[in-house]
This record gives sequence, C-alpha cells and structure tokens, in this order.
Amino acid sequence: AQSVTQLDSHVSVSEGTPVLLRCNYSSSYSPSLFWYVQHPNKGLQLLLKYTSAATLVKGINGFEAEFKKSETSFHLTKPSAHMSDAAEYFCVVYTNAGKSTFGDGTTLTVKP
Amino acid sequence: SAVISQKPSRDICQRGTSLTIQCQVDSQVTMMFWYRQQPGQSLTLIATANQGSEATYESGFVIDKFPISRPNLTFSTLTVSNMSPEDSSIYLCSVQYRVGDTEAFFGQGTRLTVV
Repeated sequence: AQSVTQLDSHVSVSEGTPVLLRCNYSSSYSPSLFWYVQHPNKGLQLLLKYTSAATLVKGINGFEAEFKKSETSFHLTKPSAHMSDAAEYFCVVYTNAGKSTFGDGTTLTVKP
Repeated sequence: SAVISQKPSRDICQRGTSLTIQCQVDSQVTMMFWYRQQPGQSLTLIATANQGSEATYESGFVIDKFPISRPNLTFSTLTVSNMSPEDSSIYLCSVQYRVGDTEAFFGQGTRLTVV
C-alpha cells in the first residue's frame, strides 16, 4: 500500500527566503509523486510531478522537487518565497489503479 | 489537458436533505473517483465509481450515505444523503484517462455547506 507523510504541518518563512516542504513516501513499487497547492477557497493546482523520468523536477512558480529513492523523499523547494506562495501544499502518491493518496498537508505562511 | 466539470460549484443545504453532485469529463476515461475534503483537512477517497455497476467504497463510507452512479465513461454523480452539518466539505471528482496513466486529474470541487 502507498502512504505519504508530510513532516511539517506548518512552515513559516520570510519573504525572499528559501522554502522547504518535506515529504516522505512509502510505496511497494516505483511511484508517481505530485505536489499540489491549494489557495484559500480555491481548487487544487498541480505544481509539479515525478513519473520516473528526471529525479529533479521543475514546476510552476519557481518550485522544484527532488525524488530521492534511497531516502524515500520528495521534498519541495523554492529559492525565494513570495507572499503569493502562502497556501496549503499537498504531497500525493499515485497508484497505477488511478487512486491518489494525499498527505495531511503543509500550511505555508510567508511573512513580509 | 483534462477538462472536468463539476456541478454545482457550491451549495448551501438544509440538514436532512440530499444533494447530487455531477462530474462531466471531456472524453472517455477508464476510472472515476470521488474525494472529500473536510474543513482544514486533507483529501480522502470516498469511492471508485464503476461504469455500469456498484461503486467500490473505501473504509468508513457506505452506499446509503453516498450513493454513486456512473452510467457511461464520461459522467458520474455523487449524492450526499440525509445531510448533517458534519457533511460540510469540498467534494472532488478525479479521473484516470487510460489504464497505466501516471497521473490523475481533478475537478474544481463542490463546496457544500449544511445548515
């Protein structure tokens, strides 16, 4: 069975400083992994995805994530936070049966 | 990219009533799923909508409370029955287009408030 653990429920950074949102996964086979963002009262937006190609994945809005099989991690990073990045972030593992397992989410706060 | 339309986008309902949410996809898909996101929580899978047969429910969800239909390969409905304030959530439809696809797609969700 697949599972996802987001290691931080809340992350607070200052504008212009780096962002790190941590995600560990468990999967019985090579997984597909995703990061989604959800702004208040908005739908899910796909940030980036890993589907067994390059281990360093670049997404929208300057975000990127690195798939590390040895560490079973898929951490999301951004070099410089912007106020508009404040939102809820979900790490997701996808099974070939079509189901998505979501982490509990990380709330990112960006301070001016 | 996928076009998944959910209707209604939001609703406010009286307790004890039922609401049916529709999910329409722009082309035929192999799999359709329904998720729930309770306030301040993550998304949880309710069930897999099976075309032409009964849905497959996850632990904690039952057909009497969340009846699901999938009459064809592009359309599904989720009904939230005999609603209570605890049913206030966002309900999302998700699809897998083809067997073996490495990505699912999500609708924009239906925001339900039960008063």
